[in-house]
Amino acid sequence: DTAVSQTPKYLVTQMGNDKSIKCEQNLGHDTMYWYKQDSKKFLKIMFSYNNKELIINETVPNRFSPKSPDKAHLNLHINSLELGDSAVYFCASSHLPGAKGYTFGSGTRLTVV
Amino acid sequence: GQQVMQIPQYQHVQEGEDFTTYCNSSTTLSNIQWYKQRPGGHPVFLIQLVKSGEVKKQKRLTFQFGEAKKNSSLHITATQTTDVGTYFCAGYLQGAQKLVFGQGTRLTINP
Repeated sequence: DTAVSQTPKYLVTQMGNDKSIKCEQNLGHDTMYWYKQDSKKFLKIMFSYNNKELIINETVPNRFSPKSPDKAHLNLHINSLELGDSAVYFCASSHLPGAKGYTFGSGTRLTVV
Repeated sequence: GQQVMQIPQYQHVQEGEDFTTYCNSSTTLSNIQWYKQRPGGHPVFLIQLVKSGEVKKQKRLTFQFGEAKKNSSLHITATQTTDVGTYFCAGYLQGAQKLVFGQGTRLTINP
């Protein structure tokens, strides 16, 4: 059984479109995250939710809006996509912020054309 | 801002050679974690270090956490082709509740 699952795995879309990425974890973790990995492999935290409450909101354009309907799900909606949004987006989860071992999903490769 | 710096960015070795990657933080860390990402894959947790001066081993991998809890290293003895990938350190900043990743060290190996 997949522990942290993200869909879709690949997403190719045109500039200006709106898209969503979904994430679900079945580990019973309380905290979920979105990380962005750019072409240089740099992993940067975007958002963090603990028990559906937003606890980290990094300097991310407000075109990006996370939503956590329950503690097992964290979705990411992106409005008005731009070329610079192309990256791999990873969802992750852990028991608590900073707890031993974040479990990452397999990633969503977003390409904006 | 708060940063975790990792060097080198790239390392190419012959199979059987040793490999080390270093991680430095501008601030004291609550803990440091290490992850491995295979090409095309996702980061996979390797280990967490919490105590000042802590040393942990996993087979050929040795992890150290500095006395000041600001630096760490990962050393692989006698590399194998299965060690290929990018190794990330990640420091946890308690106040900010953030796990901040280093830039990663990409390890390639000549068989």
